[in-house]
Amino acid sequence: QQQVKQSPQSLIVQKGGISIINCAYENTAFDYFPWYQQFPGKGPALLIAIRPDVSEKKEGRFTISFNKSAKQFSLHIMDSQPGDSATYFCAASMGGAQKLVFGQGTRLTINP
Amino acid sequence: DTGVSQDPRHKITKRGQNVTFRCDPISEHNRLYWYRQTLGQGPEFLTYFQNEAQLEKSRLLSDRFSAERPKGSFSTLEIQRTEQGDSAMYLCASSLAGVYGYTFGSGTRLTVV
Repeated sequence: QQQVKQSPQSLIVQKGGISIINCAYENTAFDYFPWYQQFPGKGPALLIAIRPDVSEKKEGRFTISFNKSAKQFSLHIMDSQPGDSATYFCAASMGGAQKLVFGQGTRLTINP
Repeated sequence: DTGVSQDPRHKITKRGQNVTFRCDPISEHNRLYWYRQTLGQGPEFLTYFQNEAQLEKSRLLSDRFSAERPKGSFSTLEIQRTEQGDSAMYLCASSLAGVYGYTFGSGTRLTVV
C-alpha cells in the first residue's frame, strides 16, 4: 500500500524528443505527488509537483499528467535536451508529515 | 549559503566502527528529514524532526541508528557498530511545516569496509 511503482527503469530518447516516465500508486490517501531529478553525486532536486485536485500541471518543458481513478501519474519532458540526462524519481506523500515514498527511479539518457 | 549542507561528503569506515553525520538545514526551515539511498534505488525515509522533536522513525532505523536535533537547528545521525549493509548515501532534507516540497542536501556517502 505504501509503494510507488515507477517505469521504465531506463530510457533513451533522441534530442528534441518527448520523454515519458510513469508511476502508479495504491494508497488513495496520498495527496501530493512530486517528481525529483538527481544528477550523479548530488541530492534529488524538486522538479515539479501536483496535488490530486488537478489532472495536469505544466512548468516549462515539464508536464505532470495525473489520473486519479487509475492511480497513475506521469512526467512528460518535451523537447528533451542532453542536459536533461539524469535519474528521475516520482514520489508521493500524505497528510502533514510530508514523508515521501519514492519510486525506484528512471535513468534517462538524451542522445545528441 | 541558502542550501542544505551535509558533512562529510564521503566517509569510509571499518565494520564495527561508529560514524556520525551532520546536516545543517535551510535556516528558516523547521522540519528536517533523513533518508537513505542505496545504489540504483530511490531514497527511503528514516526519520524526521519538527524543531527539536523527533516525530517519526522508520522501522528501517534499527537500534544502532540514532538521530538528534538539539535546539532545532542542525541535526546529527549516528550509526553505531557499522555493518557492510549500512553502505549507502545518507540524505538530509528540510522544509517548512505546512509547505509541500522540500530541499535535499548533496548527501553523505558511507562506505563500510
